[in-house]
Amino acid sequence: DAKTTQPNSMESNEEEPVHLPCNHSTISGTDYIHWYRQLPSQGPEYVIHGLTSNVNNRMASLAIAEDRKSSTLILHRATLRDAAVYYCIRQQGGSEKLVFGKGMKLTVNP
Amino acid sequence: DAGVIQSPRHEVTEMGQEVTLRCKPISGHDYLFWYRQTMMRGLELLIYFNNNVPIDDSGMPEDRFSAKMPNASFSTLKIQPSEPRDSAVYFCASSLGRHGGGYIFGSGTRLTVV
Repeated sequence: DAKTTQPNSMESNEEEPVHLPCNHSTISGTDYIHWYRQLPSQGPEYVIHGLTSNVNNRMASLAIAEDRKSSTLILHRATLRDAAVYYCIRQQGGSEKLVFGKGMKLTVNP
Repeated sequence: DAGVIQSPRHEVTEMGQEVTLRCKPISGHDYLFWYRQTMMRGLELLIYFNNNVPIDDSGMPEDRFSAKMPNASFSTLKIQPSEPRDSAVYFCASSLGRHGGGYIFGSGTRLTVV
């Protein structure tokens, strides 16, 4: 299975930016990086995904390292509603499968 | 679009009974995925379909589990006979594939087998 490494947990303060790291040192050239989050008692929610270039959308930004062995999900201004488990997933080229790991719990302090 | 719709939201059944979970994907999405989530094992991919055809069922735990997609707007996951260790939240998701954005997940079915 495609593996990524994330911290088990992080804390942030409300209205401050948050940088969530992810390592994927064995990534291949056609593998996408996906980020999902799961709020308590809800299904996972798509956040963002990318291949090589940095990506921005209304929810977050994804910064992918030049060697693609790591990436960072950036929440520009954390809110209490951003408290969730965040999953960084490496989607292997040629497959539509997303294999979820344990994820990282983000706590946002008021 | 109302999103991915799963039914029922909750199901409590006795061991040995047949359980059928249902999913309606987002119209136009050509991929459908079934996941199971437990505290111990996290989110596990059970099976996924492309254009109603099963592509990868390597995550299906055993022969008691079966999934079908008779048309583009409906899929079922059946467990027969059910066992207490099947208790979990089952999620269905659909997507347009890797070039079309992310998966959209349903709200899940919480299954309890007693």
